[in-house]
Amino acid sequence: AQTVTQSQPEMSVQEAETVTLSCTYDTSESDYYLFWYKQPPSRQMILVIRQEAYKQQNATENRFSVNFQKAAKSFSLKISDSQLGDAAMYFCAYREIYGGATNKLIFGTGTLLAVQP
Amino acid sequence: DSGVTQTPKHLITATGQRVTLRCSPRSGDLSVYWYQQSLDQGLQFLIHYYNGEERAKGNILERFSAQQFPDLHSELNLSSLELGDSALYFCASSTNAGAANTGELFFGEGSRLTVL
Repeated sequence: AQTVTQSQPEMSVQEAETVTLSCTYDTSESDYYLFWYKQPPSRQMILVIRQEAYKQQNATENRFSVNFQKAAKSFSLKISDSQLGDAAMYFCAYREIYGGATNKLIFGTGTLLAVQP
Repeated sequence: DSGVTQTPKHLITATGQRVTLRCSPRSGDLSVYWYQQSLDQGLQFLIHYYNGEERAKGNILERFSAQQFPDLHSELNLSSLELGDSALYFCASSTNAGAANTGELFFGEGSRLTVL
């Protein structure tokens, strides 16, 4: 079964600095999606960035970028120029493209990011 | 606004009671997923429906059940409630249709259930 592991329960970064959140996953599939979701105190689940496994180029969305290492099954999130509004729980998630009966999203346990002014 | 609507947003009830959580997916999305998030925990997959049919079950208790109706809205029924059922219940929808399929799940704002 596919699993997603986030080994950093909590992280802290100074405002305007850069922070990297780690995520590893386990799968035998070759095609899949990877996501980072943000959950602020409001508890809303907000998509930060997505990556298709068949694309070698790392995804980027403004200040957010990923380092996707397919062979190592690693998918880290880099937040540049951190802002106070980035403080939230961040979840890494995996989803099969061809999931048979289901292609549910599988989440890691999350990393709580604090941003210090 | 994700386009996914969940009601109620908050619900307080007593042990042993039964509640129903409702979800309206984004227009055109055929898949509905239910997730449970207990306090300070990750999101646990409960069940997936596609166009009215159950596709997969995750860690869903026998006291819980769900269905998806012809208009594609879904309901999650929780019965014989226990203190440990207190959690945030998310509904998410997605499309599996061709070029519109970005793989993303669109989440509602969740229904916060408190069992006293």
